[in-house]
Amino acid sequence: EVQLVESGGGLVQPGGSLRLSCAASGFTVSGSYMTWVRQAPGKGLEWVSLIFSGGSTYYADSVKGRFTISRDISKNTLYLQMNGLRAEDTAVYYCARGNGWPEIDYWGQGTLVTVSS
Amino acid sequence: QLVLTQSPSASASLGASVNLTCTLSSGHSSYAIAWHQQQPEKGPRYLMKVNSDGSHSKGDGIPDRFSGSSSGAERYLTISSIQSEDEADYYCQTWGTGIQGIFGGGTKLTVL
Repeated sequence: EVQLVESGGGLVQPGGSLRLSCAASGFTVSGSYMTWVRQAPGKGLEWVSLIFSGGSTYYADSVKGRFTISRDISKNTLYLQMNGLRAEDTAVYYCARGNGWPEIDYWGQGTLVTVSS
Repeated sequence: QLVLTQSPSASASLGASVNLTCTLSSGHSSYAIAWHQQQPEKGPRYLMKVNSDGSHSKGDGIPDRFSGSSSGAERYLTISSIQSEDEADYYCQTWGTGIQGIFGGGTKLTVL
């Protein structure tokens, strides 16, 4: 059974950093493309970042240069390092698996990041 | 630039059917899209992929009352025999050039 479990969210001050983790089970993160999607309170879904099985990475313009997606194959875990956080980064962050194009076929339950002083 | 357009809201009675629409912007009518459901206070759930030829493939455990189709630049999600648990937000999703994730604004379905 495919499962994705995010962790690492919390309250952080503007300009601060957080690292989100997404522990995967039931498949290998290196065998699929993985992505982060966020949802601000009361808003729709917004794509954040993607890493392909070959390691290529892509980012939304809104986070480019501040966020870094990575994975640890030995731990079967996806990460999102978030630096220079802003109030507008406040959202629930979901990790998700891609298993075809364009479909994202499994989602985690999300972790809340709140950026506030 | 690729944009996915959805109506903000829709409603249907218990036991009825409803069609939700996702429209691809000009020049992108060949793109496949995916549909996702988000029930209140829950994470999204993948429903299905819909291709430009109208074929679709569903995710694990998705009931038969969910189906997909296409016409030109429009991609449809049809829900038949609507149940109360179908009240949710529905998002379409695809990937733009340069590998940019694209989501529609979502349609909030109310079950009457």
